[in-house]
Amino acid sequence: ETGVTQSPTHLIKTRGQQVTLRCSSQSGHNTVSWYQQALGQGPQFIFQYYREEENGRGNFPPRFSGLQFPNYSSELNVNALELDDSALYLCASSLDLASSYEQYFGPGTRLTVT
Amino acid sequence: GESVGLHLPTLSVQEGDNSIINCAYSNSASDYFIWYKQESGKGPQFIIDIRSNMDKRQGQRVTVLLNKTVKHLSLQIAATQPGDSAVYFCAEKQSGGYQKVTFGTGTKLQVIP
Repeated sequence: ETGVTQSPTHLIKTRGQQVTLRCSSQSGHNTVSWYQQALGQGPQFIFQYYREEENGRGNFPPRFSGLQFPNYSSELNVNALELDDSALYLCASSLDLASSYEQYFGPGTRLTVT
Repeated sequence: GESVGLHLPTLSVQEGDNSIINCAYSNSASDYFIWYKQESGKGPQFIIDIRSNMDKRQGQRVTVLLNKTVKHLSLQIAATQPGDSAVYFCAEKQSGGYQKVTFGTGTKLQVIP
């Protein structure tokens, strides 16, 4: 059974550009959540997808958007990048939506905005 | 790898001793309380969770205690090993169909050989 994978590992972008980060959920998991982790802080919830629909969003502006595909893989898109978007972006998948199910985190994508 | 432990409270423990990491939470509506371990350059790794209707749960070398009266959560690690060195986060989840995890402030655990 493969775990959660993310690509790319590292990425450097310029302010104002757009970026797409990718996540492959653990096999059989239909729910994926995305988190932003600034250096020295805990992860902050961005949004969650369940069966290809957004199902909850944290305090992030609309320029953060996502997609979940029929195979439950997912993308995080960030438009008009700002310097403060520099962070580790984590995705986490779970077997289903209920809070009793554990979330499994990927290794993250380190985004640097210059 | 990247450090996730900058500016975090640090707990230094001698190898073999027991470690206790504490956490205060604020949301009384949380249904699950979770401890994660995050090593440098990696994503958080689930250690143990406890439901709000319990006050203690044990795993392999770890015990989580929940005191709802004072909104306090602790993680006890028995016989701490060098491989336990990491940043530990407490986190909470509300009940229902929602997987949002709210993370607290992390604690960096340093194990002294």
